[in-house]
Amino acid sequence: KQEVTQIPAALSVPEGENLVLNCSFTDSAIYNLQWFRQDPGKGLTSLLLIQSSQREQTSGRLNASLDKSSGRSTLYIAASQPGDSATYLCAVHWMDSSYKLIFGSGTRLLVRP
Amino acid sequence: EAQVTQNPRYLITVTGKKLTVTCSQNMNHEYMSWYRQDPGLGLRQIYYSMNVEVTDKGDVPEGYKVSRKEKRNFPLILESPSPNQTSLYFCASSLDRRLAWDTQYFGPGTRLTVL
Repeated sequence: KQEVTQIPAALSVPEGENLVLNCSFTDSAIYNLQWFRQDPGKGLTSLLLIQSSQREQTSGRLNASLDKSSGRSTLYIAASQPGDSATYLCAVHWMDSSYKLIFGSGTRLLVRP
Repeated sequence: EAQVTQNPRYLITVTGKKLTVTCSQNMNHEYMSWYRQDPGLGLRQIYYSMNVEVTDKGDVPEGYKVSRKEKRNFPLILESPSPNQTSLYFCASSLDRRLAWDTQYFGPGTRLTVL
């Protein structure tokens, strides 16, 4: 069964710290992996999309890496700010006959001033 | 402004009373999808559509129907809602119907309570 797991479920760090969020997935035959941000009571905002042929993507203070062989992706946030506080979700699209997207349950991040 | 809109944003209803949640996008996207989000279970896909008149089941389609008569609209229909369908619902769209090479854009969500 194709599954996406995110650990830890919650993380609290002081402002300015660099941090890493983890995402693991079963079955390495993926099309792509996306990282999303969700603020309380709001919809999801796409942060980064990594194609299966790519190793990493960067946007500002965010860097996402992908290691298909080990079934892992990490989201690196540099110099964290209180405004980064949100839930971060990763989602995987697998290379099978369907067009389904499977989400992890998310990591709830709190950046303390 | 490019966006995905959902209506209503909040809805409280009773068991068995048919309801429709609308979803509309103004980006000429081919791919549209519905998700539900529940505590501890994350986001799960209900139905998706790769183009007009083309729909398929996601992971949790039971109790739901969808239609795609126009490219911009993808309504979610609950013929006979039950309390276990109380959830936060999201509609999403993507330009590329293959999904693989494109980002999904999400609507603001619809919080549904079935009593």
